[in-house]
Amino acid sequence: GENVEQHPSTLSVQEGDSAVIKCTYSDSASNYFPWYKQELGKGPQLIIDIRSNVGEKKDQRIAVTLNKTAKHFSLHITETQPEDSAVYFCASRRVGGTYKYIFGTGTRLKVLA
Amino acid sequence: DAMVIQNPRYQVTQFGKPVTLSCSQTLNHNVMYWYQQKSSQAPKLLFHYYDKDFNNEADTPDNFQSRRPNTSFCFLDIRSPGLGDTAMYLCATSGLVYSNQPQHFGDGTRLSIL
Repeated sequence: GENVEQHPSTLSVQEGDSAVIKCTYSDSASNYFPWYKQELGKGPQLIIDIRSNVGEKKDQRIAVTLNKTAKHFSLHITETQPEDSAVYFCASRRVGGTYKYIFGTGTRLKVLA
Repeated sequence: DAMVIQNPRYQVTQFGKPVTLSCSQTLNHNVMYWYQQKSSQAPKLLFHYYDKDFNNEADTPDNFQSRRPNTSFCFLDIRSPGLGDTAMYLCATSGLVYSNQPQHFGDGTRLSIL
């Protein structure tokens, strides 16, 4: 079945350093890839997304890259801050297919002050 | 602000005692989802509605049911909760299904079965 692999499961970085989280999807027809940040006791919140016709998208300190050939997409956070500490989930969806989003297994990011 | 609101935020109930969780949205989205999330695992889809069309996941336990009386509201009913149903339950919505739109999540209901 469809799945999304996410690595690493935990990531610790020093404040100010960069963090990279990688996902690989199995459904080659997937064409929409959101990233969610989930803080303790809260629901996942969208932080950035990318469509399959785009290779990279940036929003301030956050960027996402997509390699359709390799079926990889990655989240890049630069100049990390303690408030970036959270669990991050990648997801994929085939728009025009089912209404379901396939989630990665999550990455717990700790930014050390 | 338009949003997805879940009530209650915390619910404690006894083993086997029916419980209902509610979700409301002001986004006027067609699709509403219910997820179960345990211990920072990925959210696990239980079922979803496209308007009034109900779609159950194959591995959703039979004692989990849902109702969607109108566009704005959706309920999760657990008929006979077991200890293994202790989890965070997340409601989400999604807009036009033939466009690239993200899901919008509520802050969840943390359910504890004693």
